[in-house]
Amino acid sequence: GAVVSQHPSWVICKSGTSVKIECRSLDFQATTMFWYRQFPKQSLMLMATSNEGSKATYEQGVEKDKFLINHASLTLSTLTVTSAHPEDSSFYICSAGQGGEKLFFGSGTQLSVL
Amino acid sequence: GNSVTQMEGPVTLSEEAFLTINCTYTATGYPSLFWYVQYPGEGLQLLLKATKADDKGSNKGFEATYRKETTSFHLEKGSVQVSDSAVYFCALTLNQAGTALIFGKGTTLSVSS
Repeated sequence: GAVVSQHPSWVICKSGTSVKIECRSLDFQATTMFWYRQFPKQSLMLMATSNEGSKATYEQGVEKDKFLINHASLTLSTLTVTSAHPEDSSFYICSAGQGGEKLFFGSGTQLSVL
Repeated sequence: GNSVTQMEGPVTLSEEAFLTINCTYTATGYPSLFWYVQYPGEGLQLLLKATKADDKGSNKGFEATYRKETTSFHLEKGSVQVSDSAVYFCALTLNQAGTALIFGKGTTLSVSS
């Protein structure tokens, strides 16, 4: 079946640094990818919709200057957490697919900001 | 708007007990419905799905039926095991390209032997 690869699976960084998370669709082309954030013991909250070749669409309350999304090719979207702070520590998950039931998830990235 | 409401947990059961986790939804249009499971320390995994009214999704002994009249998609299992301990998320998506999944808040299930 379709596979979405997310990297890294976990990262620890110092406050004020930037962290890049990659999401790749391995055997299909994804014109749209989604980035979610999950706080401990809470649901996944959609952060933004990443569209290949155009600007991402951010959900209300998500800072687009802090969470930079780039979808430069049909198989790769990146999320960069800029000037990370401890409150950005969370579990980030990407999803890619062709809509409807054809959505696949990456394994997630646990970010810890010290 | 579109939303998913799940029963609040945690749900604590003994092994071999019957499980029901309620899920209701609100959607414009005709969504597909899903249950995802997240085991401790792991990512999300699709457990089962149903794409139209009256469809029943099933996997690993779990079942859920898409009830349009009650806008529900309750998850059931006849006999739970300790290994079923996890967080379960109900979700929906509209069947259109470019639409994301909308998740419920998740229900934690803890099964003891």
